[in-house]
Amino acid sequence: AQKITQTQPGMFVQEKEAVTLDCTYDTSDQSYGLFWYKQPSSGEMIFLIYQGSYDEQNATEGRYSLNFQKARKSANLVISASQLGDSAMYFCAMRDGAGANNLFFGTGTRLTVIP
Amino acid sequence: GAVVSQHPSWVICKSGTSVKIECRSLDFQATTMFWYRQFPKQSLMLMATSNEGSKATYEQGVEKDKFLINHASLTLSTLTVTSAHPEDSSFYICSAREFGRALGEQFFGPGTRLTVL
Repeated sequence: AQKITQTQPGMFVQEKEAVTLDCTYDTSDQSYGLFWYKQPSSGEMIFLIYQGSYDEQNATEGRYSLNFQKARKSANLVISASQLGDSAMYFCAMRDGAGANNLFFGTGTRLTVIP
Repeated sequence: GAVVSQHPSWVICKSGTSVKIECRSLDFQATTMFWYRQFPKQSLMLMATSNEGSKATYEQGVEKDKFLINHASLTLSTLTVTSAHPEDSSFYICSAREFGRALGEQFFGPGTRLTVL
């Protein structure tokens, strides 16, 4: 079974608008961490935001926020005020007890910001 | 955030040669380093996990004799692709976790694009 599911292969958003990138996860562990990474065309993986399973509040980092819905096992990334430089691949990832060190990555969503 | 470097950023080699890729954590000590492989338009797939001073743990299906990993210090891990073939052409990315962090973030290197002719 897929640990991380990203159902949107591609998304478009108008510049300055907000966009939500979906991510659902599957784990039986109580303790786990959820991550979002951005991968521009250069290939580097840029860490965006982290949410721990015990964190009661949704994580926020500047224009990025993570909409964490534990019961639904979803960890959607919200990007506010989109900029042209936000165009990239976005990967959701999880680390749980089963893969104590490993990050399981989703298949990614390609975001294109339209001027 | 913490910085992870990789060298070289790209390499082209002939079939049958060996290629070494270095991964360094520049401003922190990494107890664990990871090597990923990414084919075009696909996600990252973990190849192996290395801990400083011990043998690497390889994922199922990854040939440990072909992909040699050495984690010589808390700041350096190397991946050697031995007797490379065209099917080994891929984007290789290393990642490191900082000593003492629990479920915290994992930092990635900029990647190495390997092309085997």
